[in-house]
Amino acid sequence: GEDVEQSLFLSVREGDSSVINCTYTDSSSTYLYWYKQEPGAGLQLLTYIFSNMDMKQDQRLTVLLNKKDKHLSLRIADTQTGDSAIYFCADSIGGATNKLIFGTGTLLAVQP
Amino acid sequence: DGGITQSPKYLFRKEGQNVTLSCEQNLNHDAMYWYRQDPGQGLRLIYYSQIVNDFQKGDIAEGYSVSREKKESFPLTVTSAQKNPTAFYLCASSSTYSGLGYEQYFGPGTRLTVT
Repeated sequence: GEDVEQSLFLSVREGDSSVINCTYTDSSSTYLYWYKQEPGAGLQLLTYIFSNMDMKQDQRLTVLLNKKDKHLSLRIADTQTGDSAIYFCADSIGGATNKLIFGTGTLLAVQP
Repeated sequence: DGGITQSPKYLFRKEGQNVTLSCEQNLNHDAMYWYRQDPGQGLRLIYYSQIVNDFQKGDIAEGYSVSREKKESFPLTVTSAQKNPTAFYLCASSSTYSGLGYEQYFGPGTRLTVT
């Protein structure tokens, strides 16, 4: 079946850039998403990218998509302590359903 | 305000009891989903529904049941057949129109503890 993989943990210092990586296996992806989850809360949609795009920028967030390598990344500029959370990559597997396949999540720890 | 609500936030049950988790949305979305989240395992799909009175099993449906009698509501019952029910349960909804993308919007979650 389709799969999405992420590294489990990333630690950065406040003010640095963070880059969270994701790889996926689906060849027919249409949209790819990044979600943020703070402790004890639901998932918050951060941004998404359509599969025919290479890059999308939204304020401090930059999403890069390498469709050939099936690699997605999320860069957070000027990382703040409030960015500490779990970040999930998700792939829409297309077809007749709206199902998303989620990665295991990357815990981002921002050190002051 | 449009959104998804889940209740209660924390739920405690004794082993052998069935328990129903509530999920309501006022986003006018046709599709709704239930996920289970365990530490270090990401989100696993339990059940989903694309339209009222219809639903499909996800990857880990055993020991769970759902109903979709109204567009706004998608309750999940955790039955006594579920071997490891203690987890964080997340409900989500999405549009079914591809022109709007497939992004799912999540509720705040219910943490179920069974002892």
